[in-house]
Amino acid sequence: DVKVTQSSRYLVKRTGEKVFLECVQDMDHENMFWYRQDPGLGLRLIYFSYDVKMKEKGDIPEGYSVSREKKERFSLILESASTNQTSMYLCASSSMGSLNEKLFFGSGTQLSVL
Amino acid sequence: GESVGLHLPTLSVQEGDNSIINCAYSNSASDYFIWYKQESGKGPQFIIDIRSNMDKRQGQRVTVLLNKTVKHLSLQIAATQPGDSAVYFCADYPGHGSSNTGKLIFGQGTTLQVKP
Repeated sequence: DVKVTQSSRYLVKRTGEKVFLECVQDMDHENMFWYRQDPGLGLRLIYFSYDVKMKEKGDIPEGYSVSREKKERFSLILESASTNQTSMYLCASSSMGSLNEKLFFGSGTQLSVL
Repeated sequence: GESVGLHLPTLSVQEGDNSIINCAYSNSASDYFIWYKQESGKGPQFIIDIRSNMDKRQGQRVTVLLNKTVKHLSLQIAATQPGDSAVYFCADYPGHGSSNTGKLIFGQGTTLQVKP
């Protein structure tokens, strides 16, 4: 079975803290994504990466950065967490160069910023 | 701009009945569509996909219908079961062939509630 693993299921952080959300996939996928999911707003793309050390801004990159040092790992970084970043964060991956663009998702990290 | 919308935020059906979840998309250039199911506490899971050169595709108990004329997509679930209770998302891919980044556009989701 394909697997996308997010390191934490629940996180509670304080305003101003630096937060790292980690994601690992075991499918040798080129593409990796970070979304946030909020009630009434659906899934919104924060950042994505189509190769090691490559990154592209999604629709809502402000307040976030990412790191892709290895193909299997994609990290989302909140440099200085704020309360409006309380959300469910979903990591996903997909294969480049395939007719199949479907994303495989992790189980999500529910982040609360107090 | 590009958007994908679902007609109803919540759908309630009786166990054993058929469910139909609808979705509208705005980009006429979209050529690939996916349905995802998200159960409580889990990430979205792939259900079924369809390309724009097809009108219908069937899976196990699920059927996706695509009407390109009115830019409408539907997911039909036969003999709905309690385990089908979840949030269902449609997504479309507006750039197949031009890029393989898999940058899907998601709708907001319909919650399917199955009554015993």
